[in-house]
Amino acid sequence: DTAVSQTPKYLVTQMGNDKSIKCEQNLGHDTMYWYKQDSKKFLKIMFSYNNKELIINETVPNRFSPKSPDKAHLNLHINSLELGDSAVYFCASSPENSGNTIYFGEGSWLTVV
Amino acid sequence: GENVEQHPSTLSVQEGDSAVIKCTYSDSASNYFPWYKQELGKRPQLIIDIRSNVGEKKDQRIAVTLNKTAKHFSLHITETQPEDSAVYFCSNAGNMLTFGGGTRLMVKP
Repeated sequence: DTAVSQTPKYLVTQMGNDKSIKCEQNLGHDTMYWYKQDSKKFLKIMFSYNNKELIINETVPNRFSPKSPDKAHLNLHINSLELGDSAVYFCASSPENSGNTIYFGEGSWLTVV
Repeated sequence: GENVEQHPSTLSVQEGDSAVIKCTYSDSASNYFPWYKQELGKRPQLIIDIRSNVGEKKDQRIAVTLNKTAKHFSLHITETQPEDSAVYFCSNAGNMLTFGGGTRLMVKP
């Protein structure tokens, strides 16, 4: 069983479109995250979310928004996609919001054309 | 805010040699220091971690050392093998769980 699963794995879309990436974890963790990994392999935190608090990296454009229907899901919505949004997006979870191992999903490869 | 710097960005070694990657951090309250390995096309996965109450931890060919006074911690890989080739990330496990810039390790057979 996959602990952190995200869909789709690959997504090719045109500029200006709106898209979503879904994420689910079955580990019972309280905190979930979204990371963006660019072509240089930098892992940049976008959001940290638990059932109490959403922490947003202030450098993330407001075209990106997380949506959490429940504790086990954290979806990523992206509006008005731009070429620079092309990257691999990783969902992750951990038992607490600091001091514990992060478990990553397999990644979603987004290409904006 | 929390910040972690990682060096070197790339490291090439001959099979059998040792590799050392170093990270420095700024948050004195940090007490958990993990290292992740990301193979090509795959997700990052934890390989070793250390908590602030110890100075060193080993797991077979990999070890992590921590110097809280100097605010740095290092990953040591001995007897490197081609399958060690990957990108390695350190992390400052604060509220935003930021990562270092990554080190691309290449082990040449």
